[in-house]
Formats: sequence, structure tokens, C-alpha cells
Amino acid sequence: AQSVTQPDIHITVSEGASLELRCNYSYGATPYLFWYVQSPGQGLQLLLKYFSGDTLVQGIKGFEAEFKRSQSSFNLRKPSVHWSDAAEYFCAVGPPARGNTPLVFGKGTRLSVIA
Amino acid sequence: DSGVTQTPKHLITATGQRVTLRCSPRSGDLSVYWYQQSLDQGLQFLIQYYNGEERAKGNILERFSAQQFPDLHSELNLSSLELGDSALYFCASSPGAPGGTDTQYFGPGTRLTVL
Repeated sequence: AQSVTQPDIHITVSEGASLELRCNYSYGATPYLFWYVQSPGQGLQLLLKYFSGDTLVQGIKGFEAEFKRSQSSFNLRKPSVHWSDAAEYFCAVGPPARGNTPLVFGKGTRLSVIA
Repeated sequence: DSGVTQTPKHLITATGQRVTLRCSPRSGDLSVYWYQQSLDQGLQFLIQYYNGEERAKGNILERFSAQQFPDLHSELNLSSLELGDSALYFCASSPGAPGGTDTQYFGPGTRLTVL
């Protein structure tokens, strides 16, 4: 069965510093890959997604993610973090070549931003 | 605002009771997904409907059921509630064409507290 691992439960970064959130997946083929963000008391908002093609994907709010097949990873990055980025971040996968199927989520990484 | 609405926002009830959670998908979306988010299990897929028919089933308990109506809104029914059912329940929707690569858009969630 497919699985998603987000090794870091909680990360704290200083405002203006760079950020990288890790995501590794286990799947027989390259799945569809997603990053969602959940602010306190809010629903999940899509940051970016990868289906195929260019392995560096740009998303909203200045985020990007890079798909690395050899490492089964899809890490999320941001060059300069803002205080408003403090939230919970979820990596998710969906089965390839089928589409519109339920997502499997990682446990999430909580991001704290300090001045 | 994702365009997915969920009611109620909060629900407090007692063990043994039954509740109904409601979801209205984005205009034009045919697929509806239900997910449960709890501290110990994380985000888990429960059930998916596509154009009124059940399409996929995840870790949904037999005490839980769902349906999608002709106007495409969906309801999740939870019965014989237990303390462990306390969680945030999310609905997501997507256009849902078979084999497509749609993004799932999430509602704000319903927070269920069972006392």
C-alpha cells in the first residue's frame, strides 16, 4: 500500500530564513504528488501539485517543490519564510494514471516562525 | 475560500448519539470525498462519491454511512457515536472525470466533539 512519510513533526524557523519540508513516499510507480497547507482552524489549501513533466513545481505563496524519483521524495521549499507561513503542512499522494481517487496523506509538519 | 461548504462548523454531542454532517461541493464538481482528521490517525480517507454513486471506500466504520444526492451535495452520517469519533471531518470535491487529474478542494471542516 502506498504511504507518505513526513519525517519532521515540528520545525521552527526564523522569519526571512529558508525552509525545506521533507516528504518521502512509498509507491510502486510515480504517484501524483501534492502539498497542502492547513492554518489553525482552517481547511486544507492546495499549495502545489505534480503530475508529470518538469520536476520543479511552482506553487502559490512563493513555495516550490522538487520531485526526485531516485529518492522517492517531493520536498517543499521556500527561500524566505514569512510569519504568516506558520501552519501545518501536509504532503499527499494519489495513484498514478487513474486520477480522481482518494489521497493518502502524511502525518504533517507543523511550522513555527519566530522573529 | 475553496467553494466547498460544510455545515455545521462545530458539533458537540454525547456518546451513543447520531449526527449528520453536510457538504456542498464546488459548482460543477461531481466527486465528493470525506476525510477524517484526528490527532492519532492523522488525515484518513473515509469514502468517495461520484455523481451520486459510491466510488471508493477507505477506513470507514460500519457505524458511518454517506450518500450523495441528485443535487450533488453529500451527507455523512455517524451513529452510535463513541469518544474516539471526536475529530475534524473534511469534505473535498473535484470535477471527478474518470481518469482525470483533478485537484481536490477542501471545505473548512466540521469539528465533532463526542462527550
